[in-house]
Order: sequence, then structure tokens, then C-alpha cells
Amino acid sequence: AQKITQTQPGMFVQEKEAVTLDCTYDTSDPSYGLFWYKQPSSGEMIFLIYQGSYDQQNATEGRYSLNFQKARKSANLVISASQLGDSAMYFCAMREPSFVSSNTGKLIFGQGTTLQVKP
Amino acid sequence: DTGVSQDPRHKITKRGQNVTFRCDPISEHNRLYWYRQTLGQGPEFLTYFQNEAQLEKSRLLSDRFSAERPKGSFSTLEIQRTEQGDSAMYLCAGELAGGPYNEQFFGPGTRLTVL
Repeated sequence: AQKITQTQPGMFVQEKEAVTLDCTYDTSDPSYGLFWYKQPSSGEMIFLIYQGSYDQQNATEGRYSLNFQKARKSANLVISASQLGDSAMYFCAMREPSFVSSNTGKLIFGQGTTLQVKP
Repeated sequence: DTGVSQDPRHKITKRGQNVTFRCDPISEHNRLYWYRQTLGQGPEFLTYFQNEAQLEKSRLLSDRFSAERPKGSFSTLEIQRTEQGDSAMYLCAGELAGGPYNEQFFGPGTRLTVL
């Protein structure tokens, strides 16, 4: 069964500094996708970044980058130049490929990490 | 704004009452998912529709829960005889099938409180 583990319940970072949020995963499937979502206190889930299991390069999206270490089964999110608006809960998630007709493509989420950015 | 809307945003009900939530994805979303999120936890999968067909239900979805997606457009999630343990945020997400790992677009959620 697929499983996502986020071991940091809470993190603090100083504004303008970089922060790394940890995520490890477990799956026996060779093909999978990894996602990071941000959830502010208002509740909506905001997609940040995606990494495919066969992607050779680490994904980047603006200030977000994903440190993908396949052998270690880790997919850490790096936020550079933290801003006050980055304070939120962050979820790592995994899904099976939806192009396989027998797969639903449902997301398996970790427990989340609460990030607080200090001014 | 993801274009996915949910109604109501908040619902307070007494134990034993029935409640119904609605999710409106954008018209191109042929896949639709429902998730449940309890306080301090990540969302958990409840059920999945491809167009109007409900193709998977989690064991979390007891027989008090029913979901529909008539005509493959909006979806409803009904909880009968609510219990305090049903208090949670109910999230729906739409996806346009066609790529291997398409992003799921989440609605703002419906927060249910059962007294």
C-alpha cells in the first residue's frame, strides 16, 4: 500500500530565509506521482509542485523546488526566500498514474507540516 | 481560484440529522473526487467518479454516506443520521483526464460540525 510520511508537525522560518519540509513515501509501484499542496487557514488546497517518478530532474516552480531522491524515497519541498504569506499547512501527496485504466488516481496525503514564517 | 465551488461552506447540524453537500467542478473535469479531512490531519479519499460513474468507494464511506454525480456534472454527498465523528472538512476535487498525473483542483471545502 502507498504511504506518505511527514515527520515535522511544525516548522518555523525567518522571513526571507529558505526552509525544507520533509516527505518520505512508500510504494511498490514503479510509476507514481508526488505532489505538494499548501493549505492556508482558510481551508482551500493549493497545488504547488509535481514530480513524476521517472522525471530525471528535480521539479521547480518559482520559489518552490522539490528535492527528489528516489533511492531514499524522499520528496522534500524547499521554499526559498520565505514570505509571511507562506505561513500555512503543507501536505505531501502521492498518486498512482491515472493513465492506467484500473487506477482511480486518488491522492494519498501525509499528515502535514505547519509552517510559520516569522517577520 | 480553482473554479471548483462547494456549497455550503459551513454546516452545523444536530446528531441524527441528514445533510447534503454539493460540489460544482468546472465543465471539463470528467474526474471528480471527494475527500474528508479531520482537524490536524491530511485529507483522506472517500470516493471517485469518472463522468457519472462512481468507480471507487473507500471503506471510510459507510452505508450512511451516499454520493452521486448525475449527468457527470455537479456532485452531491449526503450523510444520513449524522454522528459527531462525521465532523470534518469535506473537500471535492476535479481533474481533467488526459495526462498521466494531472493536477487535482480542489474546492474550498464544506466544514461540517455535528453537535
